[in-house]
Amino acid sequence: KAGVTQTPRYLIKTRGQQVTLSCSPISGHRSVSWYQQTPGQGLQFLFEYFSETQRNKGNFPGRFSGRQFSNSRSEMNVSTLELGDSALYLCASSLVSGVGSGGEAFFGQGTRLTVV
Amino acid sequence: KNQVEQSPQSLIILEGKNCTLQCNYTVSPFSNLRWYKQDTGRGPVSLTIMTFSENTKSNGRYTATLDADTKQSSLHITASQLSDSASYICVVSAGGYQKVTFGTGTKLQVIP
Repeated sequence: KAGVTQTPRYLIKTRGQQVTLSCSPISGHRSVSWYQQTPGQGLQFLFEYFSETQRNKGNFPGRFSGRQFSNSRSEMNVSTLELGDSALYLCASSLVSGVGSGGEAFFGQGTRLTVV
Repeated sequence: KNQVEQSPQSLIILEGKNCTLQCNYTVSPFSNLRWYKQDTGRGPVSLTIMTFSENTKSNGRYTATLDADTKQSSLHITASQLSDSASYICVVSAGGYQKVTFGTGTKLQVIP
């Protein structure tokens, strides 16, 4: 059974640009959640999608957005990139509920975004 | 404000030795607590999940404890191996719609 796939693995962007990251969940999983991980802040929850609907959202500015498609694949978009957006972006998939619930969540290997 | 604090921030131990990692939280109302292991360059992997009524849960050489009264959890690693070198992250979920709060992790290094 294939795991959670995130693409690309590495990305370098310039300040002011926008970026789109992709996450393909485990087959049959309907929940996808996104996280930002930095050395100083640790893991921070961005948002969770379930059946194409955003179900929960963390405390990030509106420059961070996401969506989920009918096949459960999800994309995350960051517009007007800032240096502080440099981080490892992780997505996790769950059968029904996200990381916060009792359901098992499986993480991808992440996309390492560097903003220069 | 919901917070999760982990200690120590980093730890170096000899292979074969035991160690205990701590997690203190102020998340309310409490729903569940998970310990994750994150190898360098990889995503976190769940080790255990504990709900309010559970005191102890084991997963191989990993044993997690929870004291809901003092709002503390610990992760005990027995007979450490080099492959245990990783960051260990404590994640606490609140009630309502499942707001999660992450600890900043403990970086464990096991040396031969």
